[in-house]
Amino acid sequence: ETGVTQTPRHLVMGMTNKKSLKCEQHLGHNAMYWYKQSAKKPLELMFVYNFKEQTENNSVPSRFSPECPNSSHLFLHLHTLQPEDSALYLCASSQDRPLGANVLTFGAGSRLTVL
Amino acid sequence: AQTVTQSQPEMSVQEAETVTLSCTYDTSESDYYLFWYKQPPSRQMILVIRQEAYKQQNATENRFSVNFQKAAKSFSLKISDSQLGDAAMYFCAYRPLSGTYKYIFGTGTRLKVLA
Repeated sequence: ETGVTQTPRHLVMGMTNKKSLKCEQHLGHNAMYWYKQSAKKPLELMFVYNFKEQTENNSVPSRFSPECPNSSHLFLHLHTLQPEDSALYLCASSQDRPLGANVLTFGAGSRLTVL
Repeated sequence: AQTVTQSQPEMSVQEAETVTLSCTYDTSESDYYLFWYKQPPSRQMILVIRQEAYKQQNATENRFSVNFQKAAKSFSLKISDSQLGDAAMYFCAYRPLSGTYKYIFGTGTRLKVLA
């Protein structure tokens, strides 16, 4: 496989469930991102990892817990979510170079519905 | 604060015609990158075109071109010879040269292509 792969594509969970979103990139990139996409809002950056180290955490509630075991894999662990957390969660990767364009390559997203 | 504004929530174009999508941004930086991303119904965001602010020449990629007006902080996307496959959400994005992960996205413009 090439590019950025996200699983599952769709997820429905109750507020008391625990689930995880998975992202895998096959591009050899050194940075990986989680974004939240809600209707009629700009993409919201949640977390950034560079060489497995978390470099950004945009004041995300603790019910979202990221994990980056290596440069190719990124997880978003979900627990005790709220209905307003329902959204499309996008994973992206980039090759981070100083002063470079660092173009983002996105996955197809995981559509999350919290009941 | 840096912001990106897309004032057209939705646009329509006849197949084979030309359409222009608007984007304005606000920044005090002098060096930065601008991007247009396309998100088709498959949900996977794809880079359409990018522009480095220090380059005066407008970027072009086949049927896609931009009109970059740095003083006016405007970055519009022109799609020529529109095709049915161009139907998608289009997002304008800004990233400062020094802020590796600090992408700022607009709210998007939905483009419909009429046969």
